[in-house]
Amino acid sequence: DAGVTQSPTHLIKTRGQHVTLRCSPISGHKSVSWYQQVLGQGPQFIFQYYEKEERGRGNFPDRFSARQFPNYSSELNVNALLLGDSALYLCASSLEGGSNEKLFFGSGTQLSVL
Amino acid sequence: AQSVTQLGSHVSVSEGALVLLRCNYSSSVPPYLFWYVQYPNQGLQLLLKYTSAATLVKGINGFEAEFKKSETSFHLTKPSAHMSDAAEYFCAVREYGNKLVFGAGTILRVKS
Repeated sequence: DAGVTQSPTHLIKTRGQHVTLRCSPISGHKSVSWYQQVLGQGPQFIFQYYEKEERGRGNFPDRFSARQFPNYSSELNVNALLLGDSALYLCASSLEGGSNEKLFFGSGTQLSVL
Repeated sequence: AQSVTQLGSHVSVSEGALVLLRCNYSSSVPPYLFWYVQYPNQGLQLLLKYTSAATLVKGINGFEAEFKKSETSFHLTKPSAHMSDAAEYFCAVREYGNKLVFGAGTILRVKS
């Protein structure tokens, strides 16, 4: 079975632009979460979605938004890009989004904002 | 809010030597704790997790971690380092659902 897949793997944008990142969870997983990993730091939680509903949100500005589709795939959108948005964006999936479930991570999308 | 502190951003050991990566957490409730490994240009791979079943947790690739409530610690160990263990290691505590709070990471270097 395929793991968590993310696209694109790399992306270069300029300040002020908008970006959309995509994630397909493991087959059968209904919960998707997004994390931002800035170089030299640990990942930071952005969003969790379960059954198309937002389950949790981290301390990120409203420029960050996400959604989950009926097939459980997800998009992360970032508007008005800033230099500080340059990071590795990780998607993770789990079966039901519960606290005792194993979280599976994708390889990430490396976003560079120039 | 819960938090994780990893002592030592870089750790260097010789091949065959003991690996010890330190993690301390703060949590107001019994925690779910995790260690993840990240190889260059890859996502995170779960090494092991603590969910209160046993204080000594065995994971993949010969790693294990001991939960010590009195010290609020969850240090990761491996008796004998291998070159393939060179990577970045993250300790994390689960706050709720799929929200993990990660430490800043420790880069492990293994010398031949």
